[in-house]
Amino acid sequence: QQQVKQSPQSLIVQKGGIPIINCAYENTAFDYFPWYQQFPGKGPALLIAIRPDVSEKKEGRFTISFNKSAKQFSLHIMDSQPGDSATYFCAASLTSYGGSQGNLIFGKGTKLSVKP
Amino acid sequence: NAGVTQTPKFRILKIGQSMTLQCTQDMNHNYMYWYRQDPGMGLKLIYYSVGAGITDKGEVPNGYNVSRSTTEDFPLRLELAAPSQTSVYFCASSRTSGGRNYEQYFGPGTRLTVT
Repeated sequence: QQQVKQSPQSLIVQKGGIPIINCAYENTAFDYFPWYQQFPGKGPALLIAIRPDVSEKKEGRFTISFNKSAKQFSLHIMDSQPGDSATYFCAASLTSYGGSQGNLIFGKGTKLSVKP
Repeated sequence: NAGVTQTPKFRILKIGQSMTLQCTQDMNHNYMYWYRQDPGMGLKLIYYSVGAGITDKGEVPNGYNVSRSTTEDFPLRLELAAPSQTSVYFCASSRTSGGRNYEQYFGPGTRLTVT
């Protein structure tokens, strides 16, 4: 019920390509779905997040697509650049609750390499 | 603002030794968290705190202890270090408002090796 499954584990694309990372969740009560970006030797940083009342959210070259009925969401990176090479984590939580129910459940991460 | 700071950046421990990982945030966030990150395994929650004086276990609390005497500080204590505790440890903080949790801000991490 509390798992978030992320795929693929690693991804290599050419510069300008559109990598897509997918996540699936089980708990239908989740209402907050962020993506975090982590560069080597650094802590994760919030990239973009979506709530289930919309099906898509764009911020610059990054887009989240959300499919509530399928319990899936994905990250698309348009016109990918070598500087986008990082590990990406999806996550989910119940933001309306305090305590443990409000904690983020993370996917296992996708290591993205964008080749020049 | 410095955000979330962690010390030390690196540490090597011998089996059975103890140590404290320090975490401080200057954003006046009420929530603070400790995670460990192992290769290919994502982030696992060790302990979290909803405010000063209140802490609770996460997914993988065994072998660790925490305290939260102030809003700013959330140290993680390792007693009797074991090789299984070799990992990268991240501290994070977030605020809540109107019953909703907001973005978690992460520190730079502490890389711990137990040999």
